[in-house]
Amino acid sequence: RKEVEQDPGPFNVPEGATVAFNCTYSNSASQSFFWYRQDCRKEPKLLMSVYSSGNEDGRFTAQLNRASQYISLLIRDSKLSDSATYLCVVNVPSSASKIIFGSGTRLSIRP
Amino acid sequence: EAQVTQNPRYLITVTGKKLTVTCSQNMNHEYMSWYRQDPGLGLRQIYYSMNVEVTDKGDVPEGYKVSRKEKRNFPLILESPSPNQTSLYFCASSLRWTSGRTKGETQYFGPGTRLLVL
Repeated sequence: RKEVEQDPGPFNVPEGATVAFNCTYSNSASQSFFWYRQDCRKEPKLLMSVYSSGNEDGRFTAQLNRASQYISLLIRDSKLSDSATYLCVVNVPSSASKIIFGSGTRLSIRP
Repeated sequence: EAQVTQNPRYLITVTGKKLTVTCSQNMNHEYMSWYRQDPGLGLRQIYYSMNVEVTDKGDVPEGYKVSRKEKRNFPLILESPSPNQTSLYFCASSLRWTSGRTKGETQYFGPGTRLLVL
């Protein structure tokens, strides 16, 4: 079983739709969680951190469920520019700090 | 401007010809890492460094070397490249933080280096 699992997609949705991704992690010692966005042939960039209380940034909402060990990302009123791959990232703190990336979920927004 | 730079951005080479990919960050971060990204496998860590002269293996270190002689630079060395090292490589610089009892690490990536080994 992978340490961080995501549905690879692709998700193909019309502009204006609401889309949600889930990501599950296996290590219960994981402490911090992030969503990164990666455009085609570009580097990953931090989209948002995920807090236990959930957090919202404009059209994006991230949630963490520690009991079930999953995090989610909700995108409302999707735009064409939201088309990208979304990477779930989990951080397991230790002396060496382990950062684990999911394989990513590809999202394509159509006009 | 805070950034991570990598060079070269694109490289085609032949099996066995030693190469170095440079990485530099201007954010004074202690932690730096190298990743490779392959279709279906996501980002896999090759090596990381916690500070100058402190490096350790990641998940896929075979065939790679690194060095950290200065805080800002973290070059990746392929002594004898092979075709299975054809990949997209990212260098990352990390900011570690603590918030209450939560610890985390936020990574900033370089633009990537596309390597083709023939």
